[in-house]
Amino acid sequence: EAGVAQSPRYKIIEKRQSVAFWCNPISGHATLYWYQQILGQGPKLLIQFQNNGVVDDSQLPKDRFSAERLKGVDSTLKIQPAKLEDSAVYLCASSLESSGELFFGEGSRLTVL
Amino acid sequence: KNEVEQSPQNLTAQEGEFITINCSYSVGISALHWLQQHPGGGIVSLFMLSSGKKKHGRLIATINIQEKHSSLHITASHPRDSAVYICAAYTGNQFYFGTGTSLTVIP
Repeated sequence: EAGVAQSPRYKIIEKRQSVAFWCNPISGHATLYWYQQILGQGPKLLIQFQNNGVVDDSQLPKDRFSAERLKGVDSTLKIQPAKLEDSAVYLCASSLESSGELFFGEGSRLTVL
Repeated sequence: KNEVEQSPQNLTAQEGEFITINCSYSVGISALHWLQQHPGGGIVSLFMLSSGKKKHGRLIATINIQEKHSSLHITASHPRDSAVYICAAYTGNQFYFGTGTSLTVIP
């Protein structure tokens, strides 16, 4: 079975620019998560989708971050405009059900200069 | 205070040693996950457990619900076990992650 696909793997941008990350979860997985992981820290939840609905986006900085999962399958996470402190790895994960085993993508490493 | 605390933060071991990583949590959980993250790589789920003990190869995970504590053991450690091990507590609504234990196994 194909794993969680993410792209791009690496992105370098200047502050105030915009960036978008894409995630395609494992087929049939209804729950999709976006996490931000800053070096030396554990993953921090940005947003959780159940199918195409948002379950939790309480920690998403909505003034600059947005995410969508329009057809309940793949998802995009956008940052506009980026700040230096957004430099991190953005991890996408999916699970068959909300309490099930988590499957992570390889992550998208963002560097903001 | 973090909802999930791991110890130690860093661990260096000689190949073949028995390794224990500890995780304490303060929230009520429906499941406790152990994850492995290699440098530059994604995260792999090792175990999901809600009681007792699970074993997979040289890895063993235990949980004590009353004490809100879980341990991950690695027997006969090998350099390829070098990675960051992350404990995650699932409450039924959300995951709380520890900051990880960075393990280096020296040949």
